[in-house]
Amino acid sequence: EAGVVQSPRYKIIEKKQPVAFWCNPISGHNTLYWYLQNLGQGPELLIRYENEEAVDDSQLPKDRFSAERLKGVDSTLKIQPAELGDSAVYLCASSLGVLAGGHNEQFFGPGTRLTVL
Amino acid sequence: LAKTTQPISMDSYEGQEVNITCSHNNIATNDYITWYQQFPSQGPRFIIQGYKTKVTNEVASLFIPADRKSSTLSLPRVSLSDTAVYYCLVGDPLSGGYQKVTFGTGTKLQVIP
Repeated sequence: EAGVVQSPRYKIIEKKQPVAFWCNPISGHNTLYWYLQNLGQGPELLIRYENEEAVDDSQLPKDRFSAERLKGVDSTLKIQPAELGDSAVYLCASSLGVLAGGHNEQFFGPGTRLTVL
Repeated sequence: LAKTTQPISMDSYEGQEVNITCSHNNIATNDYITWYQQFPSQGPRFIIQGYKTKVTNEVASLFIPADRKSSTLSLPRVSLSDTAVYYCLVGDPLSGGYQKVTFGTGTKLQVIP
């Protein structure tokens, strides 16, 4: 079974440039998450989707960050314009969702390492 | 939101049992305790989840005392491949509240040959 797929794995851009990350969750997983992880820190939730609806985006800096999950499957996270402080690993995760019960464990992708110069 | 506190780092020799304790004094009635493992350059991976007493799976055991204000992840006979960061999360996975809890800094476990 394929896991969570993210692309690109690495991205280097200059500040003020736009950048986009793509995530394809595990098939059948209704819930999708985007996290930001700084070096030496744990992941921090940016946004959570239940199907195509963003149900928790309180941590998303909306002045420069945006996300979409139009058909309730794959998702794109965008930063425009990027700043030096945005350098981090951006992780995508998916889970069956709260209605599935059980552990609702999250399955993470490998992440995209962003470097802003 | 329940806040968790865990040691920043731990060292252990191969073959030993490792216990990592997490404190969560303001855990709510509906909250579960969940542990994730993260290797360098990879996303976190679910290890185990529990509500009370003891939970065991093929990877680890989770001990939760009656007051649930702390929990202990136990890794039996660790090997070098268990070197990773371990995160303790507290929240209600069925309501979405669990998702709002940050992973924190985790515990960096270094297994020594």
